[in-house]
Amino acid sequence: QLHLQESGPGLVKPSETLSLSCHVSGGSISSDDHYWGWIRQPPGKGLEWIGTISYGGSTYYNPSLKSRVTISVDTSKNQFSLGLTSVTAADTAIFYCARFFTSSLGGHSPIRWGQGTLVAVSS
Amino acid sequence: DIQMTQSPSTLSASVGDRVTITCRASQSISSWLAWYQQKPGKAPKLLIYKASSLESGVPSRFSGSGSGTEFTLTINSLQPDDFATYYCQQYKSYCTFGQGTKLEIK
Repeated sequence: QLHLQESGPGLVKPSETLSLSCHVSGGSISSDDHYWGWIRQPPGKGLEWIGTISYGGSTYYNPSLKSRVTISVDTSKNQFSLGLTSVTAADTAIFYCARFFTSSLGGHSPIRWGQGTLVAVSS
Repeated sequence: DIQMTQSPSTLSASVGDRVTITCRASQSISSWLAWYQQKPGKAPKLLIYKASSLESGVPSRFSGSGSGTEFTLTINSLQPDDFATYYCQQYKSYCTFGQGTKLEIK
């Protein structure tokens, strides 16, 4: 049974970089056709896709966040990571890591989610 | 960008009712649509993929239909456990969610 677990600071200062990791257990992060990524949800609001990385290392980012986002994979630790630079209070959210299905047209759909971690941006 | 619009935003219903939630895409997405259920404090759970395919373990009272730009999620015979927020999500191009529909107890 695939299990994903987010980790990282729960508080980040404005203008700094938010960094989160997602450890995958019950399966290999390097398996063919496995895509991995991040989704966020501001408290009390809806879901926003941040980005996805393929098993081969190709990345796909939400155009609205692309200039600030980096997603990477560490196969030796069976985990992947999120970096979001120049954060403001508007970036306060629950961040979910997920395994994604990718369609033949290149769209991404989260099919297995971590439990989520709340990150607040405040001085 | 493909925009997804759900209606209604809030829906009040009783146990045993049949309810329908609608999701519209700003352009055709064929059948590249998923539905999720989210309960307070929990991650979303996949219910339906490819517009009408039921995810393993999801009760058969949930069903999805539609293609192109208009889709529906139907829940037959509402159970107490079904009161939650529901999201549609397109995966024709990248990934976009609808704004959510909160299903409340009447």
